[in-house]
Parts: sequence; structure tokens; C-alpha cells
Amino acid sequence: EIVMTQSPATLSVSPGERATLSCWASQSVSNNLAWYQQKPGQAPRLLIYGASTRATGIPARFSGSGSGTEFTLTINSLQSEDIAVYYCQQYDTWPPLTFGGGTKVEIK
Amino acid sequence: EVELVESGGGLVQPGGSLRLSCAVSGATVRSDYMSWVRQAPGKGLEWVSIVYSSGGTYYADSVKDRFSIFRDTSKNTVNLQMNSLRAEDTAVYYCARGLIRGFDYWGQGALVTVSS
Repeated sequence: EIVMTQSPATLSVSPGERATLSCWASQSVSNNLAWYQQKPGQAPRLLIYGASTRATGIPARFSGSGSGTEFTLTINSLQSEDIAVYYCQQYDTWPPLTFGGGTKVEIK
Repeated sequence: EVELVESGGGLVQPGGSLRLSCAVSGATVRSDYMSWVRQAPGKGLEWVSIVYSSGGTYYADSVKDRFSIFRDTSKNTVNLQMNSLRAEDTAVYYCARGLIRGFDYWGQGALVTVSS
């Protein structure tokens, strides 16, 4: 099973600043990685797939990078509506499909 | 527009059974990858099961031999039959579509509570 690890657990960022979230895989997942945003009481929302491709309707301030075992989600110019928990997920080697533990982004 | 709507959640005693259903519109369950993903209270996301276009199925080890995923193509639904339920199965269960481009559509979730 591929274990996904996210860091930090909580990230405090001032409005307008950049947020950088990290995700590591216990073995290479190539670029078969997705990022999701989940707001309280809501279902997750797909942000990024293929490690760097924005899903339909996702603002350009969200960007993904990385391959193999190290990945980054960057939120440029953080806005209040970006407050959420962010999850990475690998779909390279399955079953099982595996998620990271999440990073909670809050306003500083 | 694709829409997924779960139903069938509720309170069940340990050892009991429950069936969740996911009604799909704007897509065809016969040709898509469809998964169930759950989230225990205050916890992260856990993939549970998948059925893909050929009809093949896979399960997380935590639910193998207790849960069964199946499609009803006449109703365009994906269902999760959950047997021998345990307290640790308590979670919001989401239906989700997709795989190789991520889970691109999600339902609103169905709460399953296993308690005596």
C-alpha cells in the first residue's frame, strides 16, 4: 500500500499571501496524483489531477507541481474562501487508492 | 452536468446491515469508474470500494468480505451493501466518479452511524 503523507497539518497564512502545501508518497506514483479541497460540511472538490492539471473551473491561483514521490500544491494570493482542508490522493498503484491525512489552511 | 445523490444512510446496530445507493445523472455508471469514499467524524478521507466499466470491483482491506459494490444499470445507480457493520464503520459515505483524472464529481454524502 502506498502511504501518502501531508505537511504541515495546519497552515496559517495571511490574506493575499502564498500557501505552500506538501505531499509525499512512500513510493513513486509518477504524476498520478490529485488534490482536493474540502470545506466544512461539504463534499471534497477536485482541484488538480495529473499532479499539475487544474480541474474544470478551478481558479488559476491554484497550482500543482511535482512527480515521483514529492508534490506541492500552491495557492497564490490566498483568499478567505480558500479556508479548507486539502487532501492529496494517489491513483497510480491500487487497490487501495490512498489519501494523505490532510492540511488545514487557516487565516492568520 | 453530472450529479450524484446518495441515499440510504441511517442508524444501525453493530452487526447489522445497510444499503447505500448513489443515483447518477449526466453520466452512465456502466461506462464510468465509480467509487465509495468515507470520512469518519473529524477524520480524513478513506477510499472504500470501486466498480469500473468492465464490472470489476475492488475493496479496501477494512471492508473486504463485508461490503459489496454493485451497479444497477437500469436505474443508473451504484450501490454499497454493507453487512456485519462495526462502530468503526461510522462515517459519511460519499459516492464519487472518476479515477485517472481524479474523482471529478462527488455526492453530498450519506451519514451511517453504527451504534447500539
